[in-house]
Amino acid sequence: GQNIDQPTEMTATEGAIVQINCTYQTSGFNGLFWYQQHAGEAPTFLSYNVLDGLEEKGRFSSFLSRSKGYSYLLLKELQMKDSASYLCAVKDSNYQLIWGAGTKLIIKP
Amino acid sequence: DADVTQTPRNRITKTGKRIMLECSQTKGHDRMYWYRQDPGLGLRLIYYSFDVKDINKGEISDGYSVSRQAQAKFSLSLESAIPNQTALYFCATRRDREPGELFFGEGSRLTVL
Repeated sequence: GQNIDQPTEMTATEGAIVQINCTYQTSGFNGLFWYQQHAGEAPTFLSYNVLDGLEEKGRFSSFLSRSKGYSYLLLKELQMKDSASYLCAVKDSNYQLIWGAGTKLIIKP
Repeated sequence: DADVTQTPRNRITKTGKRIMLECSQTKGHDRMYWYRQDPGLGLRLIYYSFDVKDINKGEISDGYSVSRQAQAKFSLSLESAIPNQTALYFCATRRDREPGELFFGEGSRLTVL
């Protein structure tokens, strides 16, 4: 079966750096997405990786290793507004999205 | 105004009632999707449509039906609601080119008593 694993919850301190991991086992791979979802709101697109390596976008970076079935989202200079759930999703061989359950990130002052 | 609009935002209904959730978009995207989100689970695809004449079942289509009335409108119906359909429902659109990220509506919270 297809599976995406993410930690359920993480806690970090304002101003610090946090890394949210995502491992996947899917039938094929055609890209990996990260979305941010604040409580009670819609998910919003953060990043997309299709080739190995690091994609940087301001305070957020996303890394992909296709051989290891692994990605991480790195958030720097954490702000209170970064408290949210972070969803990892993989596009499989049929170009269907397989979603992880999300990681709830709690930022403490 | 939101690019992807869902109505109603909140609905409480009783078992056996028919419910329709509506979605409209101004992004001009051909591809539209309905997902449900439950606590502790990933988003699960109910139905998707690549254009007005192309509608496809997702992984959890049983108990649901859809209608694509126009490029901009995609409705989800629960013919006879049951309590385990209580969930947060999202409509989403995407364009047909990479990366093809999804643009979500604000969500419709449905409670079936």
